[in-house]
Amino acid sequence: QKEVEQDPGPLSVPEGAIVSLNCTYSNSAFQYFMWYRQYSRKGPELLMYTYSSGNKEDGRFTAQVDKSSKYISLFIRDSQPSDSATYLCAMSARGNYQLIWGAGTKLIIKP
Amino acid sequence: DADVTQTPRNRITKTGKRIMLECSQTKGHDRMYWYRQDPGLGLRLIYYSFDVKDINKGEISDGYSVSRQAQAKFSLSLESAIPNQTALYFCATSDPQRGRGPGELFFGEGSRLTVL
Repeated sequence: QKEVEQDPGPLSVPEGAIVSLNCTYSNSAFQYFMWYRQYSRKGPELLMYTYSSGNKEDGRFTAQVDKSSKYISLFIRDSQPSDSATYLCAMSARGNYQLIWGAGTKLIIKP
Repeated sequence: DADVTQTPRNRITKTGKRIMLECSQTKGHDRMYWYRQDPGLGLRLIYYSFDVKDINKGEISDGYSVSRQAQAKFSLSLESAIPNQTALYFCATSDPQRGRGPGELFFGEGSRLTVL
């Protein structure tokens, strides 16, 4: 069993829909949780970062962490075709440099 | 110009050949990383370096070696390439003192390697 599980998709939704992307993990020591966005033929770029539990909002994006369930989510409101990309979750334990990555979910927003 | 530059962007080679992938950065970061990305497996860490004199193995270092020539340059070598090293390779940098925690990585655009 992988330490971080993420559905690879693809997830296809119409423009304007609310998108929910998720990861589950098994290591209760994880404290830092990140979402990276990767466009085709590009490197990943950091989208959202949270420490420990709770929510964080940035524009149309909201990241949630539920440590009791070992589950993190990324919500995208009013989705746009430009949001079409692969979304990777990543996490690490406190004081640990090494990130553990999910496999990534490919998201397609249909105009 | 990109902050993290990888060369070559694409390379096709044959089994047994020696290959070097190069990475240079203008971000001024001390930490540099080499990752490998395969479909369904996400990103896996090959090697990382926290400064010029510090080289560390990552999760999947077998069959790879690295050289940190300067703060700005970090090269990945495959001494004798094999087909299961066919993958997309990423160089990344980070600077935890300025970033938002340990995980903010800045990636290059990737080097796609095919070993026949």
